[in-house]
Amino acid sequence: QSALTQPASVSGSLGQSITISCTGTSSDVGGYKFVSWYQQHPGKVPKRIIYDVSNRPSGVSNRFSGSKSGNTASLTISGLQAEDEADYYCNSYTSSGTRVFGGGTKLTVL
Amino acid sequence: EAQLVESGGGLVKPGGSLRLSCAASGFTFSNAWMSWVRQAPGKGLEWVGRIKSKIDGGTTVFGAPVTDRFTISRDDSKTTVDLQMNSLKIEDTGVYYCTTDLMDVWGQGTTVIVSS
Repeated sequence: QSALTQPASVSGSLGQSITISCTGTSSDVGGYKFVSWYQQHPGKVPKRIIYDVSNRPSGVSNRFSGSKSGNTASLTISGLQAEDEADYYCNSYTSSGTRVFGGGTKLTVL
Repeated sequence: EAQLVESGGGLVKPGGSLRLSCAASGFTFSNAWMSWVRQAPGKGLEWVGRIKSKIDGGTTVFGAPVTDRFTISRDDSKTTVDLQMNSLKIEDTGVYYCTTDLMDVWGQGTTVIVSS
């Protein structure tokens, strides 16, 4: 199972919006609603911020939103804040019954 | 509050074995599917494998890089899940996280270093 494809890096200015893509296949992202997103600050434990494509866990800011179209899922962060600077990973359930992560995207807030 | 605490990490030579353990609390462990995720130094997250709850069959599944070398077991009476790692390779080096299968709860991680 190959890793899902994410851009290595994205950047945005304070207050702006950015979108991170996560491209897979019909055997993972495109075939299931079980796509989730994780935020990881340097040296910290990853934190789930989106599950089942577009659902936000309790306590996660509504500035984070998720969507999916075909084999590509997307994470949008609106109203960028300095504390959003982190690495972001997507994850999907697969037809093999496993899960697979994307390679990760480093978000820089300018 | 749900909590996971890993232990057992350390330094091991290539070809060696290591057993990681994860102690769970704060949720109904026997109903939970449990997974392991790892992260090599400076690299991204990699899903390692999962064990289902016993009521759902207790079966395991692994990512391709560790199939046939790693096993996962669980002890619902102790609320622990273990990752047995055999035939370790240098590329198995990293931080190993215990998580619920939905990855909504993570442990703090334990470090495994495979080096001669």
